[in-house]
Amino acid sequence: KAGVTQTPRYLIKTRGQQVTLSCSPISGHRSVSWYQQTPGQGLQFLFEYFSETQRNKGNFPGRFSGRQFSNSRSEMNVSTLELGDSALYLCASSWGDPTYEQYFGPGTRLTVT
Amino acid sequence: TQLLEQSPQFLSIQEGENLTVYCNSSSVFSSLQWYRQEPGEGPVLLVTVVTGGEVKKLKRLTFQFGDARKDSSLHITAAQPGDTGLYLCAGAARASGTYKYIFGTGTRLKVLA
Repeated sequence: KAGVTQTPRYLIKTRGQQVTLSCSPISGHRSVSWYQQTPGQGLQFLFEYFSETQRNKGNFPGRFSGRQFSNSRSEMNVSTLELGDSALYLCASSWGDPTYEQYFGPGTRLTVT
Repeated sequence: TQLLEQSPQFLSIQEGENLTVYCNSSSVFSSLQWYRQEPGEGPVLLVTVVTGGEVKKLKRLTFQFGDARKDSSLHITAAQPGDTGLYLCAGAARASGTYKYIFGTGTRLKVLA
C-alpha cells in the first residue's frame, strides 16, 4: 500500500507571495491533518479535514487555509507569506480518528526569503 | 494553554545502555501517542495508549501511560544505533465533540556504536 505523498518536497518563496502544498493520503483514508514543524515551536497542529469538511482547527491565522477533495486528496494554502512561515509542513492521513492512528508523509520544506 | 513537556531534551548514550524519556503535562489526555522522526522524514507512529496505567511493549520499547492520564514514559532497553532519532509524544484532549491535539517538545536521542 502506498504511503502518504506530499508535493513538492522543497519550495522557496518570497515574502508576500502565496503557496499551495498538496497531500495525497493512503488509499481508503478519509482524514487528512496538516502540521507545521519549526525548530522553535516544534510540531503544531494546523487543521484536519474529513470527507471534504474541516473537522478541527488549530491556532493559526486565517492566512493558513486548506481544503479536501472528494478523492480525499488535500491542499494547504498560505497567503501573504512571512519569513516566520519557513517550516516543514507535514500532512498525515488516517482512516477515521487521527488521535488514535495516523501516518505522516515526508513533508514539504518551505523557505520564505 | 496545554503543554506537553518532554525530558530530557537531548540524550547521547552508548549502544547497549537503557534509557527513559518522559512526557509530562498538567492536563488530562484521552489518548497519547509516541512517534519517532528521522531527518528528512515525517514522524512514524510507535504506539497509542488510551487507558490510565496502561503499559505497552514493542520489542525493546516499553510505553506507559500515567494513572491520571497526564503523563507518559518511553523506556528503551539495550539501545541500538537504529534507535537514533527525535522522539515525540502527542496528546489528545476531547471535549464537546471535538479535540485538541498537541505535540511534546521532543527528545533527540543519539545512540553511539
